[in-house]
Amino acid sequence: QVQLVESGGGVVQPGGSQRLSCAASGFTFRSYGMNWVRQAPGKGLEWVAFIRSDGSKKYYGDSVTGRFSISRDNSETTLYLQMNSLRAEDTAVYYCAKDPSNYGSGYFDLWGRGTLVTVSS
Amino acid sequence: DIQMTQSPSTLSASVGDRVTITCRASQTINSWLAWYQQKPGKAPKLLIFKASSLESGVPSRFSGSGSGTEFTLTISSLQPDDFATYYCQQYNSYPRTFGQGTKVEIK
Repeated sequence: QVQLVESGGGVVQPGGSQRLSCAASGFTFRSYGMNWVRQAPGKGLEWVAFIRSDGSKKYYGDSVTGRFSISRDNSETTLYLQMNSLRAEDTAVYYCAKDPSNYGSGYFDLWGRGTLVTVSS
Repeated sequence: DIQMTQSPSTLSASVGDRVTITCRASQTINSWLAWYQQKPGKAPKLLIFKASSLESGVPSRFSGSGSGTEFTLTISSLQPDDFATYYCQQYNSYPRTFGQGTKVEIK
């Protein structure tokens, strides 16, 4: 079954860190670029980060550059998002989303169900 | 960054209606535009890519058009399953950006 399953969400204090994971199955993970997209409660979608299939290129949204880091383990078919210096405005459901190409076509043809990160004291 | 603006923000319609949602980009994005449907508590679902290409498995009542800076998503005959929020997204350049969403409600 083709799917993406996120984990690692929870409540974290402002200034803290959290690592999200996204387990992929049912497709050749190492052949596709991957993304993180987030959605604050009641708000729209915001693209967070992209990583190429081989990990050679990474791009970040303006609001997370310097604080978040995307990575992947193709042998474990898992995508990661390391989030540091978290702020209240980072509170959101975080989705991992597959790109239809290895280099980054730019749109998202498969999404996970998301994991909620709440930044609060 | 490229700003994406959708209109309207909310749309009230009845089953069987023809529905059109507009998305405007702050600068040209050629045809590098996707449309997604999202239902409450669910992940978004890809409907259209490259402005007018229908994703596999998506009903043919959905169609997309446009290029440059102005795009439309049309639902030819609204079905009960189509009441949802729709987002456009540009992928001409980084950072990828989304419109603010259009909620299609039951009239």
